[in-house]
Amino acid sequence: GQSLEQPSEVTAVEGAIVQINCTYQTSGFYGLSWYQQHDGGAPTFLSYNALDGLEETGRFSSFLSRSDSYGYLLLQELQMKDSASYFCAVSHNQGGKLIFGQGTELSVKP
Amino acid sequence: DAGVTQSPTHLIKTRGQQVTLRCSPKSGHDTVSWYQQALGQGPQFIFQYYEEEERQRGNFPDRFSGHQFPNYSSELNVNALLLGDSALYLCASSLVGRPQETQYFGPGTRLLVL
Repeated sequence: GQSLEQPSEVTAVEGAIVQINCTYQTSGFYGLSWYQQHDGGAPTFLSYNALDGLEETGRFSSFLSRSDSYGYLLLQELQMKDSASYFCAVSHNQGGKLIFGQGTELSVKP
Repeated sequence: DAGVTQSPTHLIKTRGQQVTLRCSPKSGHDTVSWYQQALGQGPQFIFQYYEEEERQRGNFPDRFSGHQFPNYSSELNVNALLLGDSALYLCASSLVGRPQETQYFGPGTRLLVL
């Protein structure tokens, strides 16, 4: 089968750093994407890794290890507005379907 | 730069009815994918359209069908609605041939089946 595992909930304080892990088991792999979703709104693209290593986009960074079938999203200098659900998603081919994890609900406390 | 748009935003139907949801992709994008997101779950892939043809399909019954028009916009049709079809339906667009490109989502249509 195909599965992605990520923690269901994470809590952190404003200004802190938080890491959301994602492990995947899929029949094929092209890349790992991360999305943010506020209260059932549109999932917003955050970051994408097709190769091993770290991708940095402002306060957000994403890491991928293909050999370990593992990735993480790192959020720095947390702000209250970062409270949302975060999803990792695997694609099997360029532009193809995304298989999503169940999501991690991040709560940022003052 | 116009993002992905979807209509309607909300819809209430009764069991057995049929529904049509609409999506306009992000400007410059040629591929449209549809996802179903139940409450508290991650989005689940329904199907993807490219060049007006269904390119990939997820594990959804034939009651779910779609169409893509020459202007790249798309429709999702669901027949014989069931209570379990109540969900947020998301449309995502992308551009073939962009290796670092991923999919961009619209705000969704929230469907309630009574």
